[in-house]
Amino acid sequence: ELKVEQNPLFLSMQEGKNYTIYCNYSTTSDRLYWYRQDPGKSLESLFVLLSNGAVKQEGRLMASLDTKARLSTLHITAAVHDLSATYFCAVDRVKNTGNQFYFGTGTSLTVIP
Amino acid sequence: DVKVTQSSRYLVKRTGEKVFLECVQDMDHENMFWYRQDPGLGLRLIYFSYDVKMKEKGDIPEGYSVSREKKERFSLILESASTNQTSMYLCASRYLGYQPQHFGDGTRLSIL
Repeated sequence: ELKVEQNPLFLSMQEGKNYTIYCNYSTTSDRLYWYRQDPGKSLESLFVLLSNGAVKQEGRLMASLDTKARLSTLHITAAVHDLSATYFCAVDRVKNTGNQFYFGTGTSLTVIP
Repeated sequence: DVKVTQSSRYLVKRTGEKVFLECVQDMDHENMFWYRQDPGLGLRLIYFSYDVKMKEKGDIPEGYSVSREKKERFSLILESASTNQTSMYLCASRYLGYQPQHFGDGTRLSIL
């Protein structure tokens, strides 16, 4: 069974600081997805990383993928309160019948003014 | 704009009832998914469908069934609801290939 682990599970950080969320997965996958979930809301796609060495950036968030280490990182630069949310990574496994997705447990980020 | 609509935001049912959760997408997506989300456990896949009338079990299918009679609609059925099925249920859809999933707003289901 493919397992996806995120750490930390909870993160409280001050505005203006930098931090990194880690996502490890247990078996080979070349595609990794990052989502954001605001309280009481659904998941919103942030990044799709399709190959080893892929890097995507949007505003203060940057995601990278190392398929050999089975590791993705989500780096937060100069955090602001609006980034407070839960962040999920997910990998997919191709089956004959379509792709099945496996999600991490999520990282709950709180940015303190 | 992409739209995945779940029929109810909040639902309260009684133990033993048959419960239907409906999901409709307007993007002509081939794949549709049902997850449940519980604190500390992330999202767990219940069932997914790769085409009309086709379905495949996810990681936790016990106590659930699904129906996909039309491409745009994917229904989750709790055959005989139990209290351990109290949860947030999320529907998602996507095209084939490497596209991300698009999620509905979720249904918070309470079984009393």
